[in-house]
Amino acid sequence: NAGVTQTPKFQVLKTGQSMTLQCAQDMNHEYMSWYRQDPGMGLRLIHYSVGAGITDQGEVPNGYNVSRSTTEDFPLRLLSAAPSQTSVYFCASQPAGLNTEAFFGQGTRLTVV
Amino acid sequence: LAKTTQPISMDSYEGQEVNITCSHNNIATNDYITWYQQFPSQGPRFIIQGYKTKVTNEVASLFIPADRKSSTLSLPRVSLSDTAVYYCLVGRTGGFKTIFGAGTRLFVKA
Repeated sequence: NAGVTQTPKFQVLKTGQSMTLQCAQDMNHEYMSWYRQDPGMGLRLIHYSVGAGITDQGEVPNGYNVSRSTTEDFPLRLLSAAPSQTSVYFCASQPAGLNTEAFFGQGTRLTVV
Repeated sequence: LAKTTQPISMDSYEGQEVNITCSHNNIATNDYITWYQQFPSQGPRFIIQGYKTKVTNEVASLFIPADRKSSTLSLPRVSLSDTAVYYCLVGRTGGFKTIFGAGTRLFVKA
């Protein structure tokens, strides 16, 4: 059981480049979300999804797009990378319902130069 | 969402019991309290969740007083591998769409 898998683990981008961070889960969870974590800080919510075809913005959505065409996959797209997007990105999945447990991926460390 | 307040950092020694207290004065009637643990370079991991009184599992205990305005995560006999950041969350989603604050950075020394 792989859980939540994020790829790549590390990435360096030049300012202005675009890329997609992949997130896949094999637990058939309805809820998925993307967070970013800056050094010494907590996690900030970027986008989330409550099911296939349904996405919504979190706390810091600017500069990012998401889609949820299947239950398993929830890719995060950086449209035009900026140095301010240098961060560690975490994807999480969670069963629908109240007070369920969130499962996080191992993270993608992104550096924008 | 109820705001939480927890210490920024704590130090301990191996073998000691560690108690991390979280304040949540505005907790709603239906809110649960959930704790996550995050090791360096890893995503957070669920530790324990409770509503009132005491909850215990193989990793930790969670103590919640009757007024539920605070909660205490208790880690028995910590080891070096318990060095991590511990997050206290309050709400009904178990973490989904929940703000993870800075947490409490626990450093266990030999």
